[in-house]
Amino acid sequence: EDKVVQSPLSLVVHEGDTVTLNCSYEVTNFRSLLWYKQEKKAPTFLFMLTSSGIEKKSGRLSSILDKKELFSILNITATQTGDSAVYLCAVVPLYNQGGKLIFGQGTELSVKP
Amino acid sequence: DGGITQSPKYLFRKEGQNVTLSCEQNLNHDAMYWYRQDPGQGLRLIYYSQIVNDFQKGDIAEGYSVSREKKESFPLTVTSAQKNPTAFYLCASRRTSGALTDTQYFGPGTRLTVL
Repeated sequence: EDKVVQSPLSLVVHEGDTVTLNCSYEVTNFRSLLWYKQEKKAPTFLFMLTSSGIEKKSGRLSSILDKKELFSILNITATQTGDSAVYLCAVVPLYNQGGKLIFGQGTELSVKP
Repeated sequence: DGGITQSPKYLFRKEGQNVTLSCEQNLNHDAMYWYRQDPGQGLRLIYYSQIVNDFQKGDIAEGYSVSREKKESFPLTVTSAQKNPTAFYLCASRRTSGALTDTQYFGPGTRLTVL
């Protein structure tokens, strides 16, 4: 059965810290991996990764995929209180009927001032 | 503004009642999805639709029903057969051609509480 596991499940840091969130997957025939940020309501799209070793970057956030070891990391540098959210990782299998996403449990990040 | 709207934001229901959650999108996306989110868990797929007048069950369809009569609308009915309906419900949509077709875009959600 296809599975996505995120770690840690929750994390508390102070402003200015750097954090690394992990997402590992067991999926038959991988196609892509997506990261979302969820602040109390709608998850908002951050990155989509399809190729191994190529970093996607947006401001203080960056993400990279390792298709050999079957994981991705999301890095946030110089964290701010506005980064507090649940970060969701989702994988799209290659032969995917209907474009379904397989989600991990999420990592709840809390950034203290 | 293009986007996905869900209503209501909060919904209270007595046990034994059916309730319908609204989801509308003006993104011209073909595919639409309903997810359920419980505390400490990821999103679980209830139903999805790739085209008007067609839909498929997701992983946890029991106790739910949907319709897709228009491209823009994908309402979800939570029936009295759903044993534990209290949850946060998210609707999403996706384009099926062009760039980033794997990416789903989410509405703001409806929080359903059964009293």
